Parts: sequence; structure tokens; C-alpha cells
Amino acid sequence: DAKTTQPNSMESNEEEPVHLPCNHSTISGTDYIHWYRQLPSQGPEYVIHGLTSNVNNRMASLAIAEDRKSSTLILHRATLRDAAVYYCILRDVANQGGKLIFGQGTELSVKP
Amino acid sequence: GAVVSQHPSWVICKSGTSVKIECRSLDFQATTMFWYRQFPKQSLMLMATSNEGSKATYEQGVEKDKFLINHASLTLSTLTVTSAHPEDSSFYICSASRRLAKNIQYFGAGTRLSVL
Repeated sequence: DAKTTQPNSMESNEEEPVHLPCNHSTISGTDYIHWYRQLPSQGPEYVIHGLTSNVNNRMASLAIAEDRKSSTLILHRATLRDAAVYYCILRDVANQGGKLIFGQGTELSVKP
Repeated sequence: GAVVSQHPSWVICKSGTSVKIECRSLDFQATTMFWYRQFPKQSLMLMATSNEGSKATYEQGVEKDKFLINHASLTLSTLTVTSAHPEDSSFYICSASRRLAKNIQYFGAGTRLSVL
């Protein structure tokens, strides 16, 4: 699975939107883009995933660049509970159900 | 609610003893589970893939004789840290995915191991 690059940390204000970037310039045509987050002292939790089209769910939105070399996780209104480390992970479609390889992620802090 | 349960959530043990950590899929069967380790301020590191009814597959650099994995049923995998030492102190996390929704991995809440 190809590698991703994320900023080490980001800050946001409560109730404002947050855009978390991820670069994946070596992505292959069969790589899905997954986002997980890890709250302090907990296991990671699934946020969202997509292949080519933008995706929305109750937690977040995923905007995927047309060339798929980058993507952005969008939290529409950050809350204090969104403070976590966010991981952008690529996984080949043939590896569904397979292991996830975590990078360093982006530590998001949310200020009241 | 949680679909993957880990037990215990926290354990302290003396150096040289063994510790067993359980990972259960609560409402689905998991032929494959994964074990990760996470040191403070670091990312998750995959240790091994636990396969029901067969031997686990260990990542490079992970000692299989030290970290024993048993996946005896479709809902339970155990990780035993044998002869634990202070450098084994870490946060251990397991995960699994549903057969019909393999794109999503569900993670346990983690087990914090402190070896004195």
C-alpha cells in the first residue's frame, strides 16, 4: 500500500470547520483512501473512506482531488470531542479486510 | 456500541511474568484479527495477523516466541506477552472487520500494559 503524508499537528477553534489534508502522490488506481481517528487513550475508530468521488457521512466529508494524489478530511463543525490523531491510510481494494498500516497522522487540537 | 472488546483494559505485572490479553468480536465472526502495539506519542505498529485455526503471521522484527497469539475461535484471539520486561510496557490494541463490510476495521479500546 502506498505511503501518505500528513501535517504533524493542526489547531482549530470549536464550532468552526476543519480541513485535514493528506498527500498520497504514489496512489495506485486500486487504492482506497481511508481515514481513522484515535482519541486519547483509546483504540482508533473508522471515520470515512472513498475511492474517487467525494464522500459524506454523519462524522465527516472526504474530498478527493481529481488526480487522487491528495485528499482532505472535512469536519464541518469541530467540537472538543474531535480532538484526536487523524490517520490517512491507503489500502488496495484487493486487501479489503487486511491489515492497516498507520503513518504518524495529524494531531488535531480544538480550542474552545 | 463497541463491536470489538478487549480485556483487560489495564494491567500491571512484575518483570518475568506472562500476561494474556483477550480480543473478542462481539456480534460477528472474525476469521482474521490484528494486533498492534503503540508506544507513547507514537503511531500504531502492526505486530501480527491472527488467523482462526492456524498460526499467526508476524511482522518483521516481532518475536513470535515472546508474543504468543492464539485464535482458537471465530470470536476470540488472545495475545500473551511471555516473560514480560519493562520494555514491553506499551498500549496493545486489536482489530477485526466484519465479513460483509471488510472496508471498515473495528478496534478494541486497547490494553495498557505496565511491567515493573
